[in-house]
Parts: sequence; structure tokens; C-alpha cells
Amino acid sequence: QKEVEQDPGPLSVPEGAIVSLNCTYSNSAFQYFMWYRQYSRKGPELLMYTYSSGNKEDGRFTAQVDKSSKYISLFIRDSQPSDSATYLCAMIYRSGYNKLIFGAGTRLAVHP
Amino acid sequence: EAQVTQNPRYLITVTGKKLTVTCSQNMNHEYMSWYRQDPGLGLRQIYYSMNVEVTDKGDVPEGYKVSRKEKRNFPLILESPSPNQTSLYFCASSLDRGIDGYTFGSGTRLTVV
Repeated sequence: QKEVEQDPGPLSVPEGAIVSLNCTYSNSAFQYFMWYRQYSRKGPELLMYTYSSGNKEDGRFTAQVDKSSKYISLFIRDSQPSDSATYLCAMIYRSGYNKLIFGAGTRLAVHP
Repeated sequence: EAQVTQNPRYLITVTGKKLTVTCSQNMNHEYMSWYRQDPGLGLRQIYYSMNVEVTDKGDVPEGYKVSRKEKRNFPLILESPSPNQTSLYFCASSLDRGIDGYTFGSGTRLTVV
């Protein structure tokens, strides 16, 4: 079983839709939770990070962490075609150097 | 501009021919790492370095070497590439061991025939 599970999609939505992206994890030692966005032919870029259960908002993006269920989500409101990308969840647990584990990524397409 | 620069972007090589992928960052980050990205498997760590002359294996280190002689550079060396090393490679750096997020390079697409 992978430490971090993420549905690869693809997910296709119309412009303006609310998008929900999710990851589950098995290791309760994970302390920091992140979402990266990766456009085609580019490296991942950090979107949001949080270390506590609850919600964190940044513009149209909301990151949600539920440590009791070992479940994290990223919500995108009023999705735009420019949001079309692969979204990777990532988690860190302390192991001397803070090991970072990525999910496999969910491919999102927002069509006009 | 703060960035991680990888070269080359694309590389096709033959089995057994030694190659080096360079990585350089201009942010004075102590922590650097190499990942490979394969369909369905996501990003997997190959090697990482916590500082100059300090390197260690990640999850998939077989067939790779690294060195960290200067803070800004972290080259990835494939001494004898094999077809199963065909992949998309990313170098990344971080100020605080990933907690503040990684800055990734644009990637190197390697094909070994």
C-alpha cells in the first residue's frame, strides 16, 4: 500500500465549476501537508501548505486537512482554463531530514 | 530571479554511456534533492543533500550517484544508464528541508535506448 493515495483522474470540468481534489494517507506521522501544481513540461510549483487540521484559504484555493481521517483536500472555486494542470499532494514527516512524500497527481482539465 | 536550473532539458542516450545532469540554484538553499517522475508512480526521491558534502540515498537510488561540492550545485550522475532509467527528472531545493516548500527545476526528460 502506498503511503499517499491520490486518484490520477483525469478530471474534466466546465469553467466556473468547483473542483475537489483529494488525497488519503496511511502514516499518522505526517505533519505538513502541501499541494503543488504542475503544468505540462514544467516542474511542480508550491500552491499551498499547512500543518494543522482545518481549512486554509488563498484566493480561489482552499486546502483542507482532516488528520483524524487521514484525508486532505484542495478546493478550487470558479475554476478557470488556466487551472488545467496536474495537482500533486505532498506530505512531510520528520525523520531527521523531513522526508517528503508525493501523491501520484490528479490531472485536471477545465474547459471553456 | 530565484530559480533552479537543470541541464539539459532533453537527452537521448545509449545504454551504458555515462551522463551527468546538472542542477544549480541561486537561492542559497542548503537542502537539495533529485526526483524522478514516472506515470502512475508520481515523484520519487533519488538522492538528497542537506548541505555541502552531505548526501544520502532516497527511495530509488540504484544506478545513480550525486555530489555536493558547492552549495549551489547538485549534479546527478548515471554511470551506466539502462532503459529503466528512462524518465522525467527534477532537481529541487529548499531553505528549510521542505517545510517551506520546494523550488523545482523545469525537468530533464531522459531516454535511454
